[in-house]
Amino acid sequence: EDKVVQSPLSLVVHEGDTVTLNCSYEVTNFRSLLWYKQEKKAPTFLFMLTSSGIEKKSGRLSSILDKKELFSILNITATQTGDSAIYLCAVEDLSGTYKYIFGTGTRLKVLA
Amino acid sequence: DTGVSQDPRHKITKRGQNVTFRCDPISEHNRLYWYRQTLGQGPEFLTYFQNEAQLEKSRLLSDRFSAERPKGSFSTLEIQRTEQGDSAMYLCASSLLQGVTEAFFGQGTRLTVV
Repeated sequence: EDKVVQSPLSLVVHEGDTVTLNCSYEVTNFRSLLWYKQEKKAPTFLFMLTSSGIEKKSGRLSSILDKKELFSILNITATQTGDSAIYLCAVEDLSGTYKYIFGTGTRLKVLA
Repeated sequence: DTGVSQDPRHKITKRGQNVTFRCDPISEHNRLYWYRQTLGQGPEFLTYFQNEAQLEKSRLLSDRFSAERPKGSFSTLEIQRTEQGDSAMYLCASSLLQGVTEAFFGQGTRLTVV
């Protein structure tokens, strides 16, 4: 069965710390991997990764994909309290039709 | 606002009642998804439309659930004879059909069945 597994499930850090969030996947027909941030309601898009080894970067956030080992990491440097959220990893699966399979998310809390 | 719009934002209903939610995707997006999210879980796939065609339904979608996208624009999700286990956030997302693109999510409809 296709699945996406995220770790850790939750994380508490202090402002200024660097965190690494993990996402591993098993899907039949991989197309892309996406990271979303969910604060209160709608997940908001962060990154989409399709190729191994190419880092995507946006400010203090960066992400990379390893299609051989079937995982991705999301790094956040110099964390701020505004980074507190649930970070969701999703994989787009082309088996049958196009759908996104989500992990359970990593709940990050950044303390002042 | 040109994002994905969902209505209502909150719904409280008594067990056994029917409820209907609406989703207006981003206007040029052919692909539309419904997901359900409960506390502590990631979004679970319910169903997918490509234009007006419903191409996939999850086994999570019992026969009390039905979804439509009659003209390939907005979509509705109806739950008949609601049960307490239906309480969740129902999220709608849309994306373009062409190319490798991300899905954009609406704010969700939070359903509470009492």
